[in-house]
Amino acid sequence: GNSVTQMEGPVTLSEEAFLTINCTYTATGYPSLFWYVQYPGEGLQLLLKATKADDKGSNKGFEATYRKETTSFHLEKGSVQVSDSAVYFCALSQGGIQGAQKLVFGQGTRLTINP
Amino acid sequence: DAGITQSPRHKVTETGTPVTLRCHQTENHRYMYWYRQDPGHGLRLIHYSYGVKDTDKGEVSDGYSVSRSKTEDFLLTLESATSSQTSVYFCAISESYSYEQYFGPGTRLTVT
Repeated sequence: GNSVTQMEGPVTLSEEAFLTINCTYTATGYPSLFWYVQYPGEGLQLLLKATKADDKGSNKGFEATYRKETTSFHLEKGSVQVSDSAVYFCALSQGGIQGAQKLVFGQGTRLTINP
Repeated sequence: DAGITQSPRHKVTETGTPVTLRCHQTENHRYMYWYRQDPGHGLRLIHYSYGVKDTDKGEVSDGYSVSRSKTEDFLLTLESATSSQTSVYFCAISESYSYEQYFGPGTRLTVT
């Protein structure tokens, strides 16, 4: 079945450092790919998405490119801030009944940014 | 923020008791989903709904049932709770043919 693998956490960086969180996937067909972020005590929020190969999703300084040849969707940010501290989830969608989109998540990566 | 509420937000219950969690939306979105979040597993889909009275199983549906009698409410029932169902439960909604799912604040369930 479809699956998503993320780099193990936790990840701790200093403010203004460069961030990469690796994500690879296994899927039949061509799923859409997502990064969700979860701040402490809250639900998940969509950070960015890409719906086809070579698409680049971007939001709030974060970027990820859908690489079909390497089955990857790595999250990057050039200069992180303390406010980026959160848990990040990579996910793919697989079709359900009548247009529903079932999400398959990676295990999550906890990111802590120190001032 | 999408109008999604979950109730209760926290619950402690004993093994063998029935439990019902409620997800309520004010967005009139077609699709609703229940996920559970556990350390090392991310989120896993339990059940989802593609319309009133239309539901289907997800990846980890054993021990759970759902019902959707009106657009705005999606109920998750644990018929006889077990300790392995201790988790944080999230509801999500999405519009027709939209890839974005909006998540509720979650319910933390502890089964003792």
